Amino acid sequence: GENVEQHPSTLSVQEGDSAVIKCTYSDSASNYFPWYKQELGKRPQLIIDIRSNVGEKKDQRIAVTLNKTAKHFSLHITETQPEDSAVYFCAAKTTGNQFYFGTGTSLTVIP
Amino acid sequence: DSGVTQTPKHLITATGQRVTLRCSPRSGDLSVYWYQQSLDQGLQFLIQYYNGEERAKGNILERFSAQQFPDLHSELNLSSLELGDSALYFCASSARDFLETQYFGPGTRLLVL
Repeated sequence: GENVEQHPSTLSVQEGDSAVIKCTYSDSASNYFPWYKQELGKRPQLIIDIRSNVGEKKDQRIAVTLNKTAKHFSLHITETQPEDSAVYFCAAKTTGNQFYFGTGTSLTVIP
Repeated sequence: DSGVTQTPKHLITATGQRVTLRCSPRSGDLSVYWYQQSLDQGLQFLIQYYNGEERAKGNILERFSAQQFPDLHSELNLSSLELGDSALYFCASSARDFLETQYFGPGTRLLVL
């Protein structure tokens, strides 16, 4: 089955700096890669996603890049703000419609 | 508020018991997904239903089962509960099926004593 690895597990950045979270996956046929933000005690929320036929997608301060050859994808947050502090999960969807999640990255933005 | 509702919010029960978790998707959404989130195993996909039919299966134990009803609400049944089943159970819904944005409900926190 699919295996998704996520790094780092914790990340602290100064407000205004950039944050990068990386994920790798094992199933080359996986075709959809969403990123979720989960604040403490709340539900996961989709913040950005990318399909396997696209290399990069951007939405304001958030961007995701996908390298299918290397089987990795990354989340980039620029100009970080304290409200960006949360746990971020990457996921990969297989052709069998199963979702596999990374173990999460706890991001702290220091004011 | 995502528009996805889950009941109950909290559930405390004993080992060996059976519980039912309920999920109502966003209006118009045909797909429902169930996830388990625990401290030791992270976020895990359990099962997906689309318009009443099972579409995909993840790491769902045989003691667990689910169904989606004609009005599109879904129930997750957990039986012969064990301590390790204590977790947060999320339901999510999407408009149709593949490659769709999923909207998560607030979750049901299950504690097995």
